[in-house]
Amino acid sequence: DAEITQSPRHKITETGRQVTLACHQTWNHNNMFWYRQDLGHGLRLIHYSYGVQDTNKGEVSDGYSVSRSNTEDLPLTLESAASSQTSVYFCASSESIQETQYFGPGTRLLVL
Amino acid sequence: QKEVEQNSGPLSVPEGAIASLNCTYSDRGSQSFFWYRQYSGKSPELIMFIYSNGDKEDGRFTAQLNKASQYVSLLIRDSQPSDSATYLCAVAEGFKTIFGAGTRLFVKA
Repeated sequence: DAEITQSPRHKITETGRQVTLACHQTWNHNNMFWYRQDLGHGLRLIHYSYGVQDTNKGEVSDGYSVSRSNTEDLPLTLESAASSQTSVYFCASSESIQETQYFGPGTRLLVL
Repeated sequence: QKEVEQNSGPLSVPEGAIASLNCTYSDRGSQSFFWYRQYSGKSPELIMFIYSNGDKEDGRFTAQLNKASQYVSLLIRDSQPSDSATYLCAVAEGFKTIFGAGTRLFVKA
């Protein structure tokens, strides 16, 4: 069965360190998304990609970057982790722009 | 003004009752509307989507869309304790999907 996976599921890091969160999907979807979820804010879009070599900034992209070298993977990098980036991060994919998004299990990140 | 607004709740209903969840959105050009359910500590999962004005039913769930009023709702009939979760409204606007902050639902046994 097709799926979307994220790793690690839990991460503790220190302020200033670079952190990369992995996202891998086997749906063969062109569209992939990264969100963060915080209490009171719901899901906020960090970055998104509509295909290989395509990346776009979302509403909360500062301090984050992504790259898309193949269809299956969209890793999210925190260039220099800050305590404000403590959150739950979800990766998602969809077949087309206005269709259902399928979410990964999430990564809980704690920045100390 | 938030683009997609939901009452954060919690909404508490007794088992067997109808739960009514509401969502308003700001972009009149929005084309697609989704309801996701999220259990505590889990990822969102799709319950229903709706594209056209009116009602769409799937089992115990009914989504209602009124584009003129920029309003979408989700009705859950015969609510069960297992329906206790946070329900996220999502609206596709152009090239992105905007999520509301969610409504927490508690179904009391």
